[in-house]
Amino acid sequence: QVQLVQSGSELKKPGASVKVSCKASGYSFASYSMNWVRQAPGQGLEWMGWITTNSGAPTYAQGFTGRFVFSLDTPGTTAYLQITSLKAEDTAVYYCVRGITSGSNRFDPWGQGTLVTVSS
Amino acid sequence: DIQMTQSPSSLSASVGDRVTITCRASQSVSSYLNWYQQKPGKAPNLLIYAASSLQSGVPSRFSGSGSGTDFTLTINSLQPEDFATYYCQQSYTTPFTFGPGTKVDIK
Repeated sequence: QVQLVQSGSELKKPGASVKVSCKASGYSFASYSMNWVRQAPGQGLEWMGWITTNSGAPTYAQGFTGRFVFSLDTPGTTAYLQITSLKAEDTAVYYCVRGITSGSNRFDPWGQGTLVTVSS
Repeated sequence: DIQMTQSPSSLSASVGDRVTITCRASQSVSSYLNWYQQKPGKAPNLLIYAASSLQSGVPSRFSGSGSGTDFTLTINSLQPEDFATYYCQQSYTTPFTFGPGTKVDIK
């Protein structure tokens, strides 16, 4: 079945970097975009941007430029989110989610989420 | 950016109730409106896409309607497993913004 499996929780100190992985299976990886969504503790969902899996071109939402990098394991089926110069406010669950554009744009399925905790 | 609002922010309901959640966009998003369900500690799950299309595997008690700026998610005969937070999302243009969520809990 179509599945996205993310890497495990991370505890990092301020100023460090983290790289979250998202392994896709059960579908043609290069046929769908990969989106990243952030959810801060007790908060709602925030779209961070996407990466086109056929070309590897990233698009970042406002507020996620500079320290956030989307990448792919080419020619594999893994997407990555790297965050550098971590701050306490980066503490959140980060989700990867497949973007479907046929007929309409929608997100399905979602990875299980990766909790990144930034604390000294 | 297109701003999404939801009402109510929370509601209490009983098993068997009919529940309606509304979502409003700050400008027209045509029918590019999705609904997601999120249970505590879990990833969101797609329920409705293109305003009214039921995602495969989602029970038929869930339905969506609307177009332009005003949308509705209806749950007919609420079941115990439906107690969760519901988010709308516009997918008309980037950034793909989400509503703030509506928490449905047990009365």
